[in-house]
Amino acid sequence: GEDVEQSLFLSVREGDSSVINCTYTDSSSTYLYWYKQEPGAGLQLLTYIFSNMDMKQDQRLTVLLNKKDKHLSLRIADTQTGDSAIYFCAERVGSSYKLIFGSGTRLLVRP
Amino acid sequence: AAGVIQSPRHLIKEKRETATLKCYPIPRHDTVYWYQQGPGQDPQFLISFYEKMQSDKGSIPDRFSAQQFSDYHSELNMSSLELGDSALYFCAGAGGTNEQFFGPGTRLTVL
Repeated sequence: GEDVEQSLFLSVREGDSSVINCTYTDSSSTYLYWYKQEPGAGLQLLTYIFSNMDMKQDQRLTVLLNKKDKHLSLRIADTQTGDSAIYFCAERVGSSYKLIFGSGTRLLVRP
Repeated sequence: AAGVIQSPRHLIKEKRETATLKCYPIPRHDTVYWYQQGPGQDPQFLISFYEKMQSDKGSIPDRFSAQQFSDYHSELNMSSLELGDSALYFCAGAGGTNEQFFGPGTRLTVL
């Protein structure tokens, strides 16, 4: 079945790196995504990775994919207070390319 | 650049009433997805359309229906509203790339 899991909460100090982890179950997923959601707001696409890649870097964001273990991570370098939000990973599944979201990780950045 | 438009942004209804949510994807994006996000939960896929045809169906109640029109906008019709229907409803559009572009959401409150 399709299931995506994330740890619920992460707290880091401003300037440190944050690592948010995600596991998924559908081995046929071709694309995996990271979205950011601030309180009461919509879903902002941060980055995504194709399943035949191991790593993707985009400015302060680094995505690592371990396809064998079905494990995805998002590293945010030099975390800022504006990075405080809920981060969702999602896998694209099925012929319709719908997204299956994880439960979200709430990131709190302490000054 | 044009973004995904959803209307209304906020909606308050009584139990057993009906509601219609509208979604206008980015021009020329021919695929629309609807997601429901309950309080403190992750977005759940409801239904999707490609070229005006339903392409996939998720956990959408029978009380809900949706369609996509010739200009690619979509409407989600919800009848016999229940308290549990209170949620943030997102639509996302896609147009042949690997990204789904999300709208700002409609917050539905059922009293």
